[in-house]
Amino acid sequence: SQTIHQWPATLVQPVGSPLSLECTVEGTSNPNLYWYRQAAGRGLQLLFYSVGIGQISSEVPQNLSASRPQDRQFILSSKKLLLSDSGFYLCAWRDGGSTDTQYFGPGTRLTVL
Amino acid sequence: GEDVEQSLFLSVREGDSSVINCTYTDSSSTYLYWYKQEPGAGLQLLTYIFSNMDMKQDQRLTVLLNKKDKHLSLRIADTQTGDSAIYFCAERGTGTASKLTFGTGTRLQVTL
Repeated sequence: SQTIHQWPATLVQPVGSPLSLECTVEGTSNPNLYWYRQAAGRGLQLLFYSVGIGQISSEVPQNLSASRPQDRQFILSSKKLLLSDSGFYLCAWRDGGSTDTQYFGPGTRLTVL
Repeated sequence: GEDVEQSLFLSVREGDSSVINCTYTDSSSTYLYWYKQEPGAGLQLLTYIFSNMDMKQDQRLTVLLNKKDKHLSLRIADTQTGDSAIYFCAERGTGTASKLTFGTGTRLQVTL
């Protein structure tokens, strides 16, 4: 069966520091991968998606970037964090079968101070 | 662009039925989904419905889709305290990237 992992689970970083969040998927190959952000008390905002290694599409302009160095690895990065980057970051992978469903990881809680 | 709206809060008594509503604007939606998020956790897929269906039932869950009005609802029968969570509806439009547009979520509070 497929599983999706995110690391770390929680992170507290100072403003201006770099960021690297990792997402890995097991049990599937060539999945579509997605990064979402959930601000406090709000819905999910799609940040990036990837349909294959090295292929990244950005949905919103911001100081974040994403990379996909391996088929089942998706990384969210920043060179300098802002206060507004605080939130709950969720990674998802897409099951391209009949239900075309996205399955989510456990999330990373990021607090920028 | 696509827009998905939900009411923010719903309170029900244990044992009653809960009905969570959602409206969307994208008439080309192919699939619509309901996800559940418990505190501090990721999103758990509850159920989905294909756009050519009117209703889907899965144990205590019933999904109704009114495509004409672009209205989706989730009914939870015999609501339990463990059902307390935030419920998100999401729609998938056409397009190869299979992007989902989520509502803002409805917080369901189950009281004794």
